[in-house]
Amino acid sequence: SQTIHQWPATLVQPVGSPLSLECTVEGTSNPNLYWYRQAAGRGLQLLFYSVGIGQISSEVPQNLSASRPQDRQFILSSKKLLLSDSGFYLCAWSVLAGSTDTQYFGPGTRLTVL
Amino acid sequence: GNSVTQMEGPVTLSEEAFLTINCTYTATGYPSLFWYVQYPGEGLQLLLKATKADDKGSNKGFEATYRKETTSFHLEKGSVQVSDSAVYFCALRDGAAGNKLTFGGGTRVLVKP
Repeated sequence: SQTIHQWPATLVQPVGSPLSLECTVEGTSNPNLYWYRQAAGRGLQLLFYSVGIGQISSEVPQNLSASRPQDRQFILSSKKLLLSDSGFYLCAWSVLAGSTDTQYFGPGTRLTVL
Repeated sequence: GNSVTQMEGPVTLSEEAFLTINCTYTATGYPSLFWYVQYPGEGLQLLLKATKADDKGSNKGFEATYRKETTSFHLEKGSVQVSDSAVYFCALRDGAAGNKLTFGGGTRVLVKP
């Protein structure tokens, strides 16, 4: 069966520091991968998605970036964090099967920028 | 563009009460519709889905019917439990928009014993 991992689970970082969040998927090949952010008390915002190694699409311009160095690895980064980057970051994967493309989510990383 | 609108919460209920969470959508194509649930401190879990008009998704006592004529996908449960306390998200996937999910703002449900 497929599983998705995210780490770290929680992170507290000062403003201006760098960021690296990692997401890995097991049990599937060539998944679509997604990064979402959930700000406190709000819905989910799609940040990036990837349909293959090295292929990244950005949905929202900001100081974050994403990379996919391996088929089942998706990394979210920042060179300098802002206070507004605080939130709950969720990684998701999907595989198109027929007409269905269901996304499955990881446990999330809670980031607090101070 | 695509959008999903959910009723705002919080919704507070007593155990065994009937739950309805309204969800309506706007999409350019023929979307698939989903309900996800987020328990406190956790990520999202797929609750149920429907891929075409008049389909009914069901899971764990929850049901939602894809109504194309009213562009709705309301979530219902006949008798809620304390363990159903969570945030519920309605979402659509429009194949014409790159298979990306568009989420509603979420509805927090609190069930009291």
